[in-house]
Amino acid sequence: GAGVSQSPSNKVTEKGKDVELRCDPISGHTALYWYRQSLGQGLEFLIYFQGNSAPDKSGLPSDRFSAERTGGSVSTLTIQRTQQEDSAVYLCASSPRSGRIDLYGYTFGSGTRLTVV
Amino acid sequence: SQQGEEDPQALSIQEGENATMNCSYKTSINNLQWYRQNSGRGLVHLILIRSNEREKHSGRLRVTLDTSKKSSSLLITASRAADTASYFCATGLGNTGKLIFGQGTTLQVKP
Repeated sequence: GAGVSQSPSNKVTEKGKDVELRCDPISGHTALYWYRQSLGQGLEFLIYFQGNSAPDKSGLPSDRFSAERTGGSVSTLTIQRTQQEDSAVYLCASSPRSGRIDLYGYTFGSGTRLTVV
Repeated sequence: SQQGEEDPQALSIQEGENATMNCSYKTSINNLQWYRQNSGRGLVHLILIRSNEREKHSGRLRVTLDTSKKSSSLLITASRAADTASYFCATGLGNTGKLIFGQGTTLQVKP
């Protein structure tokens, strides 16, 4: 696609429910990243995928958070048993190849605003 | 913990003035990037400077990097109301592609 697409753009869920957030990166981009941004804050790294390598999950805040990337393309971030502190904007980004990050930077999607009530 | 610390947290200037934002970081980096964010949604990549570079220009943007002080600055010259946004620095560590973002500077340019 022309850009990084995220869905849904907004999600309101009840505390304790599971949610799935989707990211469709730019075609051909092998690296995909998830970040979380709380209101008025910077971006918190969650997880990144590079090709077929094992993902770097070092930023996931708890075992309620998981992500997968199927076929090296679309990624889904799943949050189980949501809590109010999970409310944030979840941003996805992709780049052509992590080894070329110095040339291209990231292309971000518009994010999913998650509100847990 | 956050790698980048940005200063100031908020900046308000008149249109036509220059805006300077600073970023400090803690560990050795491969590169440093600046991003812009409007309305709390997706970020847009502005400029990237490598660890062996000291200064870079792109249009009205000028970025400097001082690796001895572990700091960078972003200068926006002749600011416009449309430059109103949040600006983030992000540091690239090694060859992983992973970026660590600062807390950002909120810039308001008054017409």
